[in-house]
Amino acid sequence: EADIYQTPRYLVIGTGKKITLECSQTMGHDKMYWYQQDPGMELHLIHYSYGVNSTEKGDLSSESTVSRIRTEHFPLTLESARPSHTSQYLCASSEYKGLAGGTDTQYFGPGTRLTVL
Amino acid sequence: AQSVTQPDIHITVSEGASLELRCNYSYGATPYLFWYVQSPGQGLQLLLKYFSGDTLVQGIKGFEAEFKRSQSSFNLRKPSVHWSDAAEYFCAVTSGSARQLTFGSGTQLTVLP
Repeated sequence: EADIYQTPRYLVIGTGKKITLECSQTMGHDKMYWYQQDPGMELHLIHYSYGVNSTEKGDLSSESTVSRIRTEHFPLTLESARPSHTSQYLCASSEYKGLAGGTDTQYFGPGTRLTVL
Repeated sequence: AQSVTQPDIHITVSEGASLELRCNYSYGATPYLFWYVQSPGQGLQLLLKYFSGDTLVQGIKGFEAEFKRSQSSFNLRKPSVHWSDAAEYFCAVTSGSARQLTFGSGTQLTVLP
């Protein structure tokens, strides 16, 4: 079982507020990811990181930003929350195995369900 | 571009019955395939994965999946479903060089007593 944590689990907030969703993992994984998932829908990658000071945008455009100052920590920030940001946000991490070892397996946190009023 | 199709949005089975959840993928390179389960309000838990070798893979909670390259499928099966298996199931695919997982839209499983 993976050790990856997300806080808060649930957040209801008003429009225009700045929010930060926390994600931490204790496995020493280099790679970390943020996915957005609307109810009943598939996951879409919005950000990923290959290591400290590395961040990239995923396939789904997002107004959020991320940072990776420490290996274990990958917070996601919304500077000004809007109702369109209402969704579930899932964080994941993986240890890169290299091509010889197949692909890396992603382990997920419990998610943060965000509601913006 | 890679894609994953889970044709069944919702499946209902009786407790003790067998289960098969379908997953088809479209990918040019050698695929690496995963099944995840998500309980309400929870994150995703890895059930099993296929990288290479034996095409029938065993996972946790009594699940198994079979990779069929000729059919581009990776169907998930369980011989006898338990009420606690009610959840949403996601199939995902990537390649060794890909940067991300591509997920299917999920199959919601309901288990009747």
